[in-house]
Amino acid sequence: AQTVTQSQPEMSVQEAETVTLSCTYDTSESDYYLFWYKQPPSRQMILVIRQEAYKQQNATENRFSVNFQKAAKSFSLKISDSQLGDAAMYFCAYSWDSNYQLIWGAGTKLIIKP
Amino acid sequence: EPEVTQTPSHQVTQMGQEVILRCVPISNHLYFYWYRQILGQKVEFLVSFYNNEISEKSEIFDDQFSVERPDGSNFTLKIRSTKLEDSAMYFCASTPLAGGPNEQFFGPGTRLTVL
Repeated sequence: AQTVTQSQPEMSVQEAETVTLSCTYDTSESDYYLFWYKQPPSRQMILVIRQEAYKQQNATENRFSVNFQKAAKSFSLKISDSQLGDAAMYFCAYSWDSNYQLIWGAGTKLIIKP
Repeated sequence: EPEVTQTPSHQVTQMGQEVILRCVPISNHLYFYWYRQILGQKVEFLVSFYNNEISEKSEIFDDQFSVERPDGSNFTLKIRSTKLEDSAMYFCASTPLAGGPNEQFFGPGTRLTVL
């Protein structure tokens, strides 16, 4: 069965600094997709970044980038130049070539210190 | 910008009562999902819906649950006889295409409280 593990329940970072959130997953699939979603206090899930497993190049979206290590089944999120608006729960999620349901990690609460 | 909407934002019900949670997905989307998040726990997949039928469901989605798309716009989740453990946030999501790693667009959620 596919599982997603986020081992950091909470992380804090000083505003303008860089923080890395960890995610590992387990799967026997060869084609799959990985996502980071952000859930601010308003509770609406917002996609931050996604990665296709067949792509070797790490995805980047402005200040957000991932370190995708397929062999290690690791998918970490790096947030550069952290901003107060980045404060939220961050969820790592996985889907595969079925009906693309998302399997979720437990989440990491990110605190930004001004 | 189009968005997924959900009503009500908060539903309080008595154990054993039926509840219907409503979602309006983005209009040109084809795949629809329900997820739930019990307070302090992981988000869990409940069911996916495509072409007017369930495409996959989790073991959580037992006979007490049902979904339908009654009028081509609404997508509802019905819980026939609620239990205390059904208390959770319920999220609806939709995605535009039938395949591929497309972004799932989420609604704001309905908080269900079963007393």
